[in-house]
Amino acid sequence: DVKVTQSSRYLVKRTGEKVFLECVQDMDHENMFWYRQDPGLGLRLIYFSYDVKMKEKGDIPEGYSVSREKKERFSLILESASTNQTSMYLCASRPLTPPEGGFGQGTRLTVV
Amino acid sequence: SQQGEEDPQALSIQEGENATMNCSYKTSINNLQWYRQNSGRGLVHLILIRSNEREKHSGRLRVTLDTSKKSSSLLITASRAADTASYFCATDVVQGAQKLVFGQGTRLTINP
Repeated sequence: DVKVTQSSRYLVKRTGEKVFLECVQDMDHENMFWYRQDPGLGLRLIYFSYDVKMKEKGDIPEGYSVSREKKERFSLILESASTNQTSMYLCASRPLTPPEGGFGQGTRLTVV
Repeated sequence: SQQGEEDPQALSIQEGENATMNCSYKTSINNLQWYRQNSGRGLVHLILIRSNEREKHSGRLRVTLDTSKKSSSLLITASRAADTASYFCATDVVQGAQKLVFGQGTRLTINP
């Protein structure tokens, strides 16, 4: 089974803080993704990466950046957290040839 | 951009009844997947149907796909209280850089 692990289930941060959300997968997948989930809006893609040091913007990249220094790890960075970034964040990984893949358990981030 | 639209947004039925959820999408797809999410948790993959398939079964789940109408349905038969969750469809679009595009989801409540 695919194992995607997000470093925190719950986080509370202050406005203006720099926030790191970490995601690690153990299946040697090339593709990794960060989604944001809000009620009534479903999952929206923030950023994805198809290789180490490679990244592409998703549908809502504003206010976020990402880092992929190693194949198994994909980090989402909120440079200066704002209250409108309070949300559930989900990480996913997929191999080069889908459809296999998996999701992490999610990180519920609250920015106060 | 949201690829999928799900209908209904919320569904409440009695235990033992069948539950049907629908998903429509906009662009050509390689496959369509259904996921379940229990409250506050990550996504669990339920079933995948490829673009050249019309119907697929897995246990109490039945998925149909109509590519001419760009729509899919998920039927859960003989529902149980444990089926209470949100259900999402996700599409692997033909030119989507291997990213899944999600609908907003259907919130299913099974009443005992």
